[in-house]
Amino acid sequence: AQSVTQPDIHITVSEGASLELRCNYSYGATPYLFWYVQSPGQGLQLLLKYFSGDTLVQGIKGFEAEFKRSQSSFNLRKPSVHWSDAAEYFCAVTNFGNEKLTFGTGTRLTIIP
Amino acid sequence: DTAVSQTPKYLVTQMGNDKSIKCEQNLGHDTMYWYKQDSKKFLKIMFSYNNKELIINETVPNRFSPKSPDKAHLNLHINSLELGDSAVYFCASRGGRGLTYEQYFGPGTRLTVT
Repeated sequence: AQSVTQPDIHITVSEGASLELRCNYSYGATPYLFWYVQSPGQGLQLLLKYFSGDTLVQGIKGFEAEFKRSQSSFNLRKPSVHWSDAAEYFCAVTNFGNEKLTFGTGTRLTIIP
Repeated sequence: DTAVSQTPKYLVTQMGNDKSIKCEQNLGHDTMYWYKQDSKKFLKIMFSYNNKELIINETVPNRFSPKSPDKAHLNLHINSLELGDSAVYFCASRGGRGLTYEQYFGPGTRLTVT
């Protein structure tokens, strides 16, 4: 069965600093990978996705993620965070023909001035 | 233009009551989902429908019954509500099967059972 691990439950970053949120997946087939963001009291918004091709993918709000098959990772990065980036971030995985998305447990991002 | 909408946004009710949550998507998607998010933010899939056909039915108490009158709507009815049903319920939709895999989420319905 596929699984997703987000090892960091909570991360605090200063505004303007760089950010990296970790995501590791476990699945035998080629994964399709996603990052979602959930602002307080809101639904989940898709930040970016990886299906195939270039392993560095760009998303909305200045986020990017890099797929590393050898490390089974899909880490999310942003060079300079803004206070509005404070939210819960979820990594998710599926694969071809699979109707389900498997979500990680989320990483809560706090931004300090 | 709201892509995936849910009503109500908040629902407070007593144990033993029956309640429904409605979901509509205007994205023209074929597949819709219900998720439950617990107090620790863990997201668990409950059901999925494709073109009004049930395709995913996770281990959910049979007090929960989804209904899809058409492919743009997926409602969730809950009988005999229990304290443990308190959570945020999200509806999501996805494009045609085998074509795309990203899901688009509604704003959520916060259910509180007292």
